[in-house]
Amino acid sequence: NAGVMQNPRHLVRRRGQEARLRCSPMKGHSHVYWYRQLPEEGLKFMVYLQKENIIDESGMPKERFSAEFPKEGPSILRIQQVVRGDSAAYFCASSPQGQGAQPQHFGDGTRLSIL
Amino acid sequence: KNQVEQSPQSLIILEGKNCTLQCNYTVSPFSNLRWYKQDTGRGPVSLTIMTFSENTKSNGRYTATLDADTKQSSLHITASQLSDSASYICVVSALKGTGANNLFFGTGTRLTVIP
Repeated sequence: NAGVMQNPRHLVRRRGQEARLRCSPMKGHSHVYWYRQLPEEGLKFMVYLQKENIIDESGMPKERFSAEFPKEGPSILRIQQVVRGDSAAYFCASSPQGQGAQPQHFGDGTRLSIL
Repeated sequence: KNQVEQSPQSLIILEGKNCTLQCNYTVSPFSNLRWYKQDTGRGPVSLTIMTFSENTKSNGRYTATLDADTKQSSLHITASQLSDSASYICVVSALKGTGANNLFFGTGTRLTVIP
């Protein structure tokens, strides 16, 4: 998984706090995708971003969740007022193009635990 | 409804033995199918990607097959090693859709190789 960097690897928050997850795509990749994985479940698409634009956020809850990919810096997935159900592994992937046919390289994820 | 189903859910084999993992899908229109290996605590890593016209593709001891007529794929692992212990995820891409919401993930097969 060299290339797509996610941090932190583990994040613990109390209910009601905010969680910020960061993703730096592979060099030269301008497309970022966020997925959520619950234990024993498959990856679920959340949001797809290009630099400074949200292309598709159809998989992201309407409330408390937001994502950005600024011109400079990593992509950020932000969860406000976290609840226990937000506990999951959050994976970021990047690609040089926006088509699903292109290989997607994944980071090693951020494991979010809500106390 | 676009779906990807994998079997078995879990599998235990002896080191050195072969095994075959199955993936059935109903995704349409079909673009490509990928197999990923996901080690515990890590992100998925692509093993193979197959398009409609490809029947077989190998990557070392991994061989994937695709039957686009029956919408089935298999991943065959030869001479298994302890390091093959991981989850193997089948991902099918549809032709339409934007970015990543045209990717459909199976829930994976959990393979354990024992000495």
